Amino acid sequence: KNEVEQSPQNLTAQEGEFITINCSYSVGISALHWLQQHPGGGIVSLFMLSSGKKKHGRLIATINIQEKHSSLHITASHPRDSAVYICAVNSGGSNYKLTFGKGTLLTVNP
Amino acid sequence: NAGVTQTPKFRILKIGQSMTLQCAQDMNHNYMYWYRQDPGMGLKLIYYSVGAGITDKGEVPNGYNVSRSTTEDFPLRLELAAPSQTSVYFCASSWTGDQPQHFGDGTRLSIL
Repeated sequence: KNEVEQSPQNLTAQEGEFITINCSYSVGISALHWLQQHPGGGIVSLFMLSSGKKKHGRLIATINIQEKHSSLHITASHPRDSAVYICAVNSGGSNYKLTFGKGTLLTVNP
Repeated sequence: NAGVTQTPKFRILKIGQSMTLQCAQDMNHNYMYWYRQDPGMGLKLIYYSVGAGITDKGEVPNGYNVSRSTTEDFPLRLELAAPSQTSVYFCASSWTGDQPQHFGDGTRLSIL
């Protein structure tokens, strides 16, 4: 079982819809990251959080440490939001290695 | 700002050949990482470095080697390429181990 599980694997939405992507993890962590990867493109860090909630534009990330769960929300989705969204956790320690989920492919249709 | 630069972007190798994937960052980051991304799988850490002269193995180091002679550069060497090394390779860097990582655009490598 992967230490980081994302759901759903694939998500199709209509422009303007509210999007939620979920991430569950099984280990103790010092931080959780959300990243975005456009098709054929590079990877961009969206959020790093260890508690509570962060907001950037139309994107909101929340984390519940007790439940080992995080969500990424996109409000008023747009076709340019179409990408793979990746959750990764930093379990701390001396090496700070990230463990990645498999990603959620989001397609927003106009 | 160039950020993290990877070269080449694409490469086809024959089985048994060797090559070096280049990675350079201009942000003076201490930490640098090499990942591979296979279809349907999460990124896997190959090697990482916490500073010049210091490297360590990640989850999938077999078949690869790295060096870190300067803060800026972190090349990944493939010796005796095998079809199982066909993948997309990403280099990343960060200030410290608990800061967001900055990724390069990736190198798509096919071994035939």
